[in-house]
Amino acid sequence: AQTVTQSQPEMSVQEAETVTLSCTYDTSESDYYLFWYKQPPSRQMILVIRQEAYKQQNATENRFSVNFQKAAKSFSLKISDSQLGDAAMYFCAYRNINNAGNMLTFGGGTRLMVKP
Amino acid sequence: DVKVTQSSRYLVKRTGEKVFLECVQDMDHENMFWYRQDPGLGLRLIYFSYDVKMKEKGDIPEGYSVSREKKERFSLILESASTNQTSMYLCASSLWAGRRSPLHFGNGTRLTVT
Repeated sequence: AQTVTQSQPEMSVQEAETVTLSCTYDTSESDYYLFWYKQPPSRQMILVIRQEAYKQQNATENRFSVNFQKAAKSFSLKISDSQLGDAAMYFCAYRNINNAGNMLTFGGGTRLMVKP
Repeated sequence: DVKVTQSSRYLVKRTGEKVFLECVQDMDHENMFWYRQDPGLGLRLIYFSYDVKMKEKGDIPEGYSVSREKKERFSLILESASTNQTSMYLCASSLWAGRRSPLHFGNGTRLTVT
């Protein structure tokens, strides 16, 4: 079974600075998807960014980018120019490409605090 | 926008009660999921359904059952609630086809069993 590990239970960053959240995963598959979700206090899970394993180029969405290291099975999220609204729980998630049910396996989450 | 609605935001039940958590989605999605969220453990899949009346066990199905009589509605049932089922429950839905299709989540139900 696949596992996803987020080794940082909590992180803090100064407003306007850059922060990187770590995620590692374990799989024997060669093709899969990886996701980062954000959960603010409202509890609504929001998709931040996704990466297809067959793509070598790292995904980018505005201030959010990933560092995908397939051989190391690492998928970190970088948030640039941090804003107060970035404060939330962040979850890394994995989906097997052959997963007919589209279900995700999640990591334990990282709580990000943004200091003004 | 896809909307996934969970019927209760907060719920308090007594040990031994039968509990129903309801979830409705409005985008004709084939897949629906129930996850449980606990601090440090992230989200763990309880059950999912890929069609009406179809269900599959996830990672932690013990103590739970589900019902999907209509495509838009997926219910999670705690037959006899116990204190270790106190948790946040999140419902989600997605398209069947489209491996890139993301999960769309509801706002969660925080269940307390006393």
